[in-house]
Amino acid sequence: DADVTQTPRNRITKTGKRIMLECSQTKGHDRMYWYRQDPGLGLRLIYYSFDVKDINKGEISDGYSVSRQAQAKFSLSLESAIPNQTALYFCATSDSAGAEGTDTQYFGPGTRLTVL
Amino acid sequence: GESVGLHLPTLSVQEGDNSIINCAYSNSASDYFIWYKQESGKGPQFIIDIRSNMDKRQGQRVTVLLNKTVKHLSLQIAATQPGDSAVYFCAENMGDYKLSFGAGTTVTVRA
Repeated sequence: DADVTQTPRNRITKTGKRIMLECSQTKGHDRMYWYRQDPGLGLRLIYYSFDVKDINKGEISDGYSVSRQAQAKFSLSLESAIPNQTALYFCATSDSAGAEGTDTQYFGPGTRLTVL
Repeated sequence: GESVGLHLPTLSVQEGDNSIINCAYSNSASDYFIWYKQESGKGPQFIIDIRSNMDKRQGQRVTVLLNKTVKHLSLQIAATQPGDSAVYFCAENMGDYKLSFGAGTTVTVRA
């Protein structure tokens, strides 16, 4: 979905390096999410943010941090990358103004991160 | 553990046939479900959703069925086309606007 962009699309780094993945959206959504996808597994939630001042941990937040710089921007950082953080990372957005009880999330194209 | 899962990791379908992809969920309090399609090298793409007060919902060539009695969700694709080859995920609203995803079913369409 071109409305949600992620940079970089691919990144190779070394153990111990600090890495930042960026996500921007033009959908005007207030909620943003970071997921990780590993082969054979579904997407697992790392962090989510319901507005600029609201940041919450997901199920696998250890080793990651996030920053919501603006409503349209949500970045994910790996402070000291390790090989088992090699994965596909997806950003997603959703709109709290949607119908009550629904939360359709729209995903970016993903970042393939390899930690050597 | 996961609260949402798919019955089969792979499905091979003849072009033109109908496809049925199944998903079981364990959280009886879940009230909203979504099917996503993920093509190689891309992010998941929304296909169709259904709320728990419905049993069936139809879109373009797709139908989602929800059976709350047995906590089962299915996605039916009519007249499957080569462009339908992808990984399909069901996702469950855990009640606090977070989604829980199953592991996915890889659909391969045979010409």
